[in-house]
Amino acid sequence: GENVEQHPSTLSVQEGDSAVIKCTYSDSASNYFPWYKQELGKRPQLIIDIRSNVGEKKDQRIAVTLNKTAKHFSLHITETQPEDSAVYFCAASKGGSYIPTFGRGTSLIVHP
Amino acid sequence: GAVVSQHPSWVICKSGTSVKIECRSLDFQATTMFWYRQFPKQSLMLMATSNEGSKATYEQGVEKDKFLINHASLTLSTLTVTSAHPEDSSFYICSALSPGQGGYEQYFGPGTRLTVT
Repeated sequence: GENVEQHPSTLSVQEGDSAVIKCTYSDSASNYFPWYKQELGKRPQLIIDIRSNVGEKKDQRIAVTLNKTAKHFSLHITETQPEDSAVYFCAASKGGSYIPTFGRGTSLIVHP
Repeated sequence: GAVVSQHPSWVICKSGTSVKIECRSLDFQATTMFWYRQFPKQSLMLMATSNEGSKATYEQGVEKDKFLINHASLTLSTLTVTSAHPEDSSFYICSALSPGQGGYEQYFGPGTRLTVT
């Protein structure tokens, strides 16, 4: 089955800096890659996603890049703010089943 | 975006009793819902895929007789933890697939914190 590796497990940055979280996947048939933000005790929220027919997608301060050949995708957050502090999960799934495999999560801490 | 609700948000029960958790898609119909379990500071662990009108598909290692799933309508799936034990204490989260741009997107419920004493 699919295996998703996520790094780093913890990321600490100063407000205003950029943050990058990287994920690799094993199944070349995976074609949908969402990113979720989960604040403590709350539900995961979809923040951005990318499908395998594009290499990059951007939404204001958040961007995701996908390298299908290398089977890795990354989340980029620019101009980080304290409210960006949360756990971020990447996931990979195949279009037919939409059953995602999640990474282990990255705890992002943005210091004011 | 699509809204998924979950009830109750938290529950405390005694060992040996059963607990039912409801997951509802409020503004869309969901033929497929998922049930996850999450331990503190860990990732989401898929327990089962719930399909409307058919039996749930359980992940390896998840006891189907202990975690009963019913998806009787396009907007409701239920998870019943039978004969609960303290090791079943966890954060249970459901999600539902909703049509989105280019395919389906997954929306999560707010979760149910189960504590078994």
